Amino acid sequence: NAGVTQTPKFQVLKTGQSMTLQCAQDMNHNSMYWYRQDPGMGLRLIYYSASEGTTDKGEVPNGYNVSRLNKREFSLRLESAAPSQTSVYFCASSVGRELNTDTQYFGPGTRLTVL
Amino acid sequence: QKEVEQNSGPLSVPEGAIASLNCTYSDRGSQSFFWYRQYSGKSPELIMFIYSNGDKEDGRFTAQLNKASQYVSLLIRDSQPSDSATYLCAVSPFSGGYQKVTFGTGTKLQVIP
Repeated sequence: NAGVTQTPKFQVLKTGQSMTLQCAQDMNHNSMYWYRQDPGMGLRLIYYSASEGTTDKGEVPNGYNVSRLNKREFSLRLESAAPSQTSVYFCASSVGRELNTDTQYFGPGTRLTVL
Repeated sequence: QKEVEQNSGPLSVPEGAIASLNCTYSDRGSQSFFWYRQYSGKSPELIMFIYSNGDKEDGRFTAQLNKASQYVSLLIRDSQPSDSATYLCAVSPFSGGYQKVTFGTGTKLQVIP
């Protein structure tokens, strides 16, 4: 099992360009998440999908959109990139059962620079 | 006030010593607590979780939870240079269904050979 995979690993954009970050998991998890990690800020939730067919905003959703394509795949789109979106983006997934031990598993991350 | 607070470090300990990492949280309704390890340039990986007051041991790692004082800690016994990483504390209120997890900014641990 590959776990959680993300593409691309690195990306450089110019201000105003758009792109989509891809995420897929092969663990049959119900819930998927997108985080960004900035120095001194920790991991902040952008969007999440509790189950296939649903998506909801997290702590910092402005400037992003998501699509839960199917149970395996959850993509993050930047419609008009801004320098403030320079960050490391992590996708994560979890079983999503109503258990207090539900654990999130992270992908390797995408390092995005917006010039 | 941050919801989950950790000392950013770096915390330096000699090889073989006990490393003690601390985390405090503000939401008294928090029920699930996680420790993740993150090597530089890598993604977070789960070390252990705890949800009952007291200690939970897993190999060289012990998580300690005190809900009354709103803190959770991670002890690493016999620290090794390979333990050098940033340790993230994560807290969840577990309201059912979606697991809203709030992460601390992490403590950087350096184990000196």
